[in-house]
Amino acid sequence: TQLLEQSPQFLSIQEGENLTVYCNSSSVFSSLQWYRQEPGEGPVLLVTVVTGGEVKKLKRLTFQFGDARKDSSLHITAAQPGDTGLYLCAGAKFGGQNFVFGPGTRLSVLP
Amino acid sequence: NAGVTQTPKFRILKIGQSMTLQCTQDMNHNYMYWYRQDPGMGLKLIYYSVGAGITDKGEVPNGYNVSRSTTEDFPLRLELAAPSQTSVYFCASGASGANVLTFGAGSRLTVL
Repeated sequence: TQLLEQSPQFLSIQEGENLTVYCNSSSVFSSLQWYRQEPGEGPVLLVTVVTGGEVKKLKRLTFQFGDARKDSSLHITAAQPGDTGLYLCAGAKFGGQNFVFGPGTRLSVLP
Repeated sequence: NAGVTQTPKFRILKIGQSMTLQCTQDMNHNYMYWYRQDPGMGLKLIYYSVGAGITDKGEVPNGYNVSRSTTEDFPLRLELAAPSQTSVYFCASGASGANVLTFGAGSRLTVL
């Protein structure tokens, strides 16, 4: 069973569209991270959210941490082909530095 | 500024063979991790280390061993390769107290 669930599993959209992907759990996390992974490479950190209800913006990407610290969302405005990749969320439990990863959302942005 | 370096990038093994995946980082990070990534399953933690001389099991440690003799290096050993160990392996490191992992580029292992 997955401690972190991500949805949708796959998403294919046209350039310029908006999208939201989700990361959900029944567990509470001290922090949650979003990574993007491109084929043949390791995941690269996009953002870390640490406060319940926190919203962070990174250019066209908006990240939100749920009030209860169990879920998070990633919203991309005006998607571009360069946004194509596997988006992974990872949660850190309180008092530890082990990170549990979700299965990822594979995004394809078509020109 | 190399970050996390993994070798080899690709390897094919026969069942029962052994090998070591190498991982080194130059950021003086205390924490190091080995994950495996299977299609559709995300990243599963194999072993981790909080500092030189200290290692601990993660979620899927069976069939693997690790050592941490220095801060920089964290090799992963497969003693008797099995087809179930076919996967992409990622090494990562992190500074103590920091909510961020830096990953290597991965090692793709196929066991036939």
